[in-house]
Amino acid sequence: KNEVEQSPQNLTAQEGEFITINCSYSVGISALHWLQQHPGGGIVSLFMLSSGKKKHGRLIATINIQEKHSSLHITASHPRDSAVYICAVKVPTGNQFYFGTGTSLTVIP
Amino acid sequence: SQTIHQWPATLVQPVGSPLSLECTVEGTSNPNLYWYRQAAGRGLQLLFYSVGIGQISSEVPQNLSASRPQDRQFILSSKKLLLSDSGFYLCAWSAGGGYEQYFGPGTRLTVT
Repeated sequence: KNEVEQSPQNLTAQEGEFITINCSYSVGISALHWLQQHPGGGIVSLFMLSSGKKKHGRLIATINIQEKHSSLHITASHPRDSAVYICAVKVPTGNQFYFGTGTSLTVIP
Repeated sequence: SQTIHQWPATLVQPVGSPLSLECTVEGTSNPNLYWYRQAAGRGLQLLFYSVGIGQISSEVPQNLSASRPQDRQFILSSKKLLLSDSGFYLCAWSAGGGYEQYFGPGTRLTVT
């Protein structure tokens, strides 16, 4: 069983739709990281959070520590948002992150 | 600002040949450095991380090795590649253990 589970695995949306990607984890964490991987493979850091909510442009990330769950929301989705979104958690000890397998998002014009 | 470089971008190597992938970071000092592999359809797998020059921690037993000869240089090597070594290799850095990780552009390795 993976320490980090993401849902859905694949998501197709129409341009303009509100999108939610979910991440659940089974270990105690000190922080959670949302990443975006473009079709060419490059990975970009979106958010790192340990509580509450963060917003950057059309992206919003929330985390509920008690429920061990985080969501990534995209408002007014656009085809350029098409990418794989990856959730990773940092455990309190050591230096590594545990990664989910990603959610592949396709936004259709 | 900080920049992370990886090369080469793509590599095709025969089974049994050696491997050397290089990663360098600019604009920061004493970063934590990481090597990840992403197999097709799989999540990122941590291979090695380093908290300082000459300090390497291995997370997965394998025929790969890593070295950090300079503060901002991280090298992934193999003496003899296996078919199972094919994948997308990513280098990343962070300011410390609990900080955001920033990824390089990756190297796509195909072992034939």
